[in-house]
Order: sequence, then C-alpha cells, then structure tokens
Amino acid sequence: AQSVSQHNHHVILSEAASLELGCNYSYGGTVNLFWYVQYPGQHLQLLLKYFSGDPLVKGIKGFEAEFIKSKFSFNLRKPSVQWSDTAEYFCAVNANTGFQKLVFGTGTRLLVSP
Amino acid sequence: NAGVTQTPKFRVLKTGQSMTLLCAQDMNHEYMYWYRQDPGMGLRLIHYSVGEGTTAKGEVPDGYNVSRLKKQNFLLGLESAAPSQTSVYFCASSYEGVNQPQHFGDGTRLSIL
Repeated sequence: AQSVSQHNHHVILSEAASLELGCNYSYGGTVNLFWYVQYPGQHLQLLLKYFSGDPLVKGIKGFEAEFIKSKFSFNLRKPSVQWSDTAEYFCAVNANTGFQKLVFGTGTRLLVSP
Repeated sequence: NAGVTQTPKFRVLKTGQSMTLLCAQDMNHEYMYWYRQDPGMGLRLIHYSVGEGTTAKGEVPDGYNVSRLKKQNFLLGLESAAPSQTSVYFCASSYEGVNQPQHFGDGTRLSIL
C-alpha cells in the first residue's frame, strides 16, 4: 500500500524567507505526485503536479517541486514566501496504474509572519 | 461555473440521527470522491465512484453509505451518527484518468454531539 510522509507538521517563517517542505512516499512503481494547498477556511486547490518528464515542476504562485526518484521524495519549494502563503500544504500520490486513488500526507501548516 | 458544490456547509447532529450530505459538480467529471479531514490525519478517502450508478469503498467506509444516481451528484449518508464521525467532509471530482487532478468542494463541517 502506498503511504505519504510529511515530516514538518508546523513551519513558521518570516516574509521573504525561503521555504522547503518535505514529502516522501512509499511505492515501488511509477507514481503521480501532487501538492495541494488549503488556505484558511477554503477548499483544497492544486498547486502543482508531476506525472513524467522534467523532475522539476513549476506550479502557481511561484511554487516549485522536485521529484527525486532515488529518494522517493517530492519536496515543495519557494524562494521567498509571502504572508498570503499562510496555509496548510498537502502532498499526495497515486500509483500510475488503474484507478487513481490519491493518498494524502498529514499536511504541513505554514505560518508566515509579516 | 460553480465547480464542486457541497450542501450543507455546517451541521450539528445528535448521536443516532441520520443525515445526507450532497455533492454536485458541473464539470461533467466521471469520478467523484468523499473524504474526511481530521486534525493531524490529512484527508482520508471514505467512498468513491468511477461513474453513474457505481460506488466503491475507500480507506474509512464504515458508518457511511453513498449513492451516485446521477453523474453530477454524489451523496454521502450517515445512517446513525456517532461522535467519531465529527469531522470536515470534502467532496471532490475529476476526469477519468490516473493523472487527472481532483477538484474539491468547500467542505461540510459536521459535529456529532
């Protein structure tokens, strides 16, 4: 069975600091990888996704993530965070076979102080 | 374009009561899903549907039932609510295909007393 680990449960940063959120998954086959963001009081929105090709993917709002197959990782990065990035971030993975049952990590709460 | 709409947004129930959560999507998506979100546990899949008239169990199906009588609607039922079902429930939908992102509704906050 697939699983997803997000090691940072809470992260506090000042504006303009750089961000890296860790995501590791366990699955031996080909996977599809996603990062979703949930702003306070809102629904989940897709930040970015990786299916194949260039392992460095760029998403909305200046976010990017790098897929490192050898490390089973898909870390999320942003060079300079803003107060408006305060949200909860979820990594998710599904196997690239059959029905796409997404498995989510437990989430990372990011608080950006002005 | 409304996307995924969930009703109601909030509800308080007493233990043993029943209720139905409604999810409607206007994107002609084939797949629909019900998740629950609990603190420190992320989202867990309750039930899902790969098309009209089909349903399947997810990770945490016990105590819930679902129906997909129309392609655009996916109903989640609690026959006899329990305090352990206090949670935020999210509906999502997607096109068919393993790499299609899911689109989420705004959630239903449900409290069982």
